[in-house]
Amino acid sequence: ETGVTQTPRHLVMGMTNKKSLKCEQHLGHNAMYWYKQSAKKPLELMFVYSLEERVENNSVPSRFSPECPNSSHLFLHLHTLQPEDSALYLCASSQGQGGNSPLHFGNGTRLTVT
Amino acid sequence: SQQGEEDPQALSIQEGENATMNCSYKTSINNLQWYRQNSGRGLVHLILIRSNEREKHSGRLRVTLDTSKKSSSLLITASRAADTASYFCAPRGAGSYQLTFGKGTKLSVIP
Repeated sequence: ETGVTQTPRHLVMGMTNKKSLKCEQHLGHNAMYWYKQSAKKPLELMFVYSLEERVENNSVPSRFSPECPNSSHLFLHLHTLQPEDSALYLCASSQGQGGNSPLHFGNGTRLTVT
Repeated sequence: SQQGEEDPQALSIQEGENATMNCSYKTSINNLQWYRQNSGRGLVHLILIRSNEREKHSGRLRVTLDTSKKSSSLLITASRAADTASYFCAPRGAGSYQLTFGKGTKLSVIP
């Protein structure tokens, strides 16, 4: 059983909706990540948080808004999304960053934008 | 950050055979990691090899690293149907927050 839990597992939303994805890690890690996985494309790193501070933001559109209230929780707030935002959104955590720390992934939220 | 490129894109073998996947990257690394992803699930870390290591084993997995050629390989011996998954390499530069992945190798093991 993964130590990183993502909810919901599936989400269907209209382009005018506002929703949030939630990630919780039970591993005592201090870094958390959001990745986007679209069909036939490499995983795209969206955001990185270290010690609850955002350290990377890879030119992600503002309709995606991350929040990290503490080292165990990470949210991705979504609003006015486009159909091309449909993808599997993966959360991950690690102990430290930039070193020899493997990432632990959740099982993702499958998002469909209609 | 840099992205590894896995080769081949897809690989189909019979159960019991060995599977070899390759990864190439462009700049110097601190370490290189391999991950597996079953369909519709998250990635699972398999093995990490540091830049000063040449070979590493974990169960039926064998990873090699050639920093002079900027390449790595993952060998799965005596494959099983349960090994069917996509496999990704992730080269990690020193001091980088970013771990980026390629498109992966999709392995199918036929019972």
